[in-house]
Amino acid sequence: EVQLLESGGGLVQPGGSLRLSCAASGFTFSTYAMTWVRQAPGKGLEWVSGIRGGGGDTYYADSVKGRFTISRDNSKNTLHLQMNSLRAEDTAVYYCAKSSATGTDIYWYFDLWGRGTLVTVSS
Amino acid sequence: DIVMTQSPDSLAVSLGERATINCKSSQSVLYSSAWYQQKPGQPPKLLIYWASTRESGVPDRFSGSGSGTDFTLTISSLQAEDVAVYYCQQYYSSPPWTFGQGTKVEIK
Repeated sequence: EVQLLESGGGLVQPGGSLRLSCAASGFTFSTYAMTWVRQAPGKGLEWVSGIRGGGGDTYYADSVKGRFTISRDNSKNTLHLQMNSLRAEDTAVYYCAKSSATGTDIYWYFDLWGRGTLVTVSS
Repeated sequence: DIVMTQSPDSLAVSLGERATINCKSSQSVLYSSAWYQQKPGQPPKLLIYWASTRESGVPDRFSGSGSGTDFTLTISSLQAEDVAVYYCQQYYSSPPWTFGQGTKVEIK
């Protein structure tokens, strides 16, 4: 079955760290770019970070640049998001999503989504 | 960054009637737009990409149109299971890839 399964969310204090993971199955993981999209409670979708299939190119929203690091382990079909210096405004459901993009393709829409993992930043 | 602005923010349509959602980009994205459906408590689901290409398995009552800066999602005959929030997204050129604020569709 083609699916994405996120884990690693939870409650963390401001300034703390969390590492999210996303386990992929049912498709050739290393072929596709992957991304993280978040949704604050009651709000819309915000693209956070993306990484190409080979892992060589990474991209970040300005709101998380310098604090978050995206990575992938193609041998384990797993995507990660290391989140440091967390702020209250990072509170959201974080979705892992598969991009349509392969190779150096610049056109990224998102054709498979996980169910998300909730990150709450609060003291 | 390219800003995507949807209208209306919400709409109520009778069962079997047409629902139309608009999305305007702050600069041309050619045909590089997609539409997603998000039902309560669920992740988003891709409906339309390249402005008008329906994703596999999506009912044909959903259609997309437009190019440049103006895009439209049409549900030709609203069904109860179509109650959701709908988002447009642009994926033109380099990141960030941005979404509209969402349009909530309800039954009248």
